[in-house]
Amino acid sequence: DTAVSQTPKYLVTQMGNDKSIKCEQNLGHDTMYWYKQDSKKFLKIMFSYNNKELIINETVPNRFSPKSPDKAHLNLHINSLELGDSAVYFCASSRGQGLNSPLHFGNGTRLTVT
Amino acid sequence: DQQVKQNSPSLSVQEGRISILNCDYTNSMFDYFLWYKKYPAEGPTFLISISSIKDKNEDGRFTVFLNKSAKHLSLHIVPSQPGDSAVYFCAASALPNFGNEKLTFGTGTRLTIIP
Repeated sequence: DTAVSQTPKYLVTQMGNDKSIKCEQNLGHDTMYWYKQDSKKFLKIMFSYNNKELIINETVPNRFSPKSPDKAHLNLHINSLELGDSAVYFCASSRGQGLNSPLHFGNGTRLTVT
Repeated sequence: DQQVKQNSPSLSVQEGRISILNCDYTNSMFDYFLWYKKYPAEGPTFLISISSIKDKNEDGRFTVFLNKSAKHLSLHIVPSQPGDSAVYFCAASALPNFGNEKLTFGTGTRLTIIP
């Protein structure tokens, strides 16, 4: 009965490959997000989707493409992976976009690019 | 530009004592502040929040204090319990970008409660 689930938990791949991370939430939330936590532990937003529509794309290279097939899913596809893409990626959801709707995070996907 | 700073990467506190986690910010437009807690191999979970119209918000053992003039907030946990051992993230948002998509997070403080 995990609220926000993302797969895979670990992903090791070589530079230049294309990979996807899947995210699903069963909370009935309208808004979903992708966050990146880099090696310095900064947690930064990448994308925000509300009802399947992109709300924000924060200076993310266009090699990163989110796909939201429905309100409960927000997948992240990454083309031509680079060493600097190594990080932990967190999916999250919230009931609304306002700060009175706290974020519910998945357990993260640790991506290692070699 | 690190607008939200948690200058103590780690903190150890005896069980039953008070834990005080600190957070400083530089953006005077920040108007809403949150604390998230993270266990290993899990995502952060929301703990408590405070709006700038208040200087204190309490929820059970957790109290957040806000000092706007000093651009400082702190999270107090009393009494500390072993289950409180986790990484605590401070986050802030500024009007008019008043939404989750504009949250700025600190780098976290690892709290260890010693039994």
